[in-house]
Amino acid sequence: ETGVTQTPRHLVMGMTNKKSLKCEQHLGHNAMYWYKQSAKKPLELMFVYSLEERVENNSVPSRFSPECPNSSHLFLHLHTLQPEDSALYLCASSQEIGTGANVLTFGAGSRLTVL
Amino acid sequence: GQNIDQPTEMTATEGAIVQINCTYQTSGFNGLFWYQQHAGEAPTFLSYNVLDGLEEKGRFSSFLSRSKGYSYLLLKELQMKDSASYLCAVRDSNYQLIWGAGTKLIIKP
Repeated sequence: ETGVTQTPRHLVMGMTNKKSLKCEQHLGHNAMYWYKQSAKKPLELMFVYSLEERVENNSVPSRFSPECPNSSHLFLHLHTLQPEDSALYLCASSQEIGTGANVLTFGAGSRLTVL
Repeated sequence: GQNIDQPTEMTATEGAIVQINCTYQTSGFNGLFWYQQHAGEAPTFLSYNVLDGLEEKGRFSSFLSRSKGYSYLLLKELQMKDSASYLCAVRDSNYQLIWGAGTKLIIKP
């Protein structure tokens, strides 16, 4: 496996369910990100981890809970979601944070539908 | 507030040239990125501009004018596989990435 891998690719859940999204990067990068992508809207940054430490949390509702057990893995735990949380959730990684030319490598995303 | 503007959708013909514009108003500037995203796939990096001028990479070129807060992505000799969304993003003075909503490019035979 190379690059950034996300599982599952598709997820349907009810508002009372608990599920998790998983992201794994095989690039030796030190930073990992969760983004939300909704149709015709800009990417919304949710969380940033650098060397397994959370460095940014952009006022995301507590029903989204990130976990970064090591620099290669990132999870997004979901519970009691709302229908408006339906979106494509993208994971990304980069060599570092805080530099201009920092290029993100994205996974293909997890398409979440909340019923 | 910070803002990135790009057209929602464009249509072009196979073999032709298309220019996708991006204008930005941000708190500072530390570079501008273009990403390509095919439907159902990951966004992939196309180009990075930090100085004014044109950067060429094969059929794709990206231009930047910092004084005008303006960039464009130029795609030449269009192929059907170029049908995708093109995302413009600017890194601000805090090194945060500010994203546009993307331009969906439709290529017709």
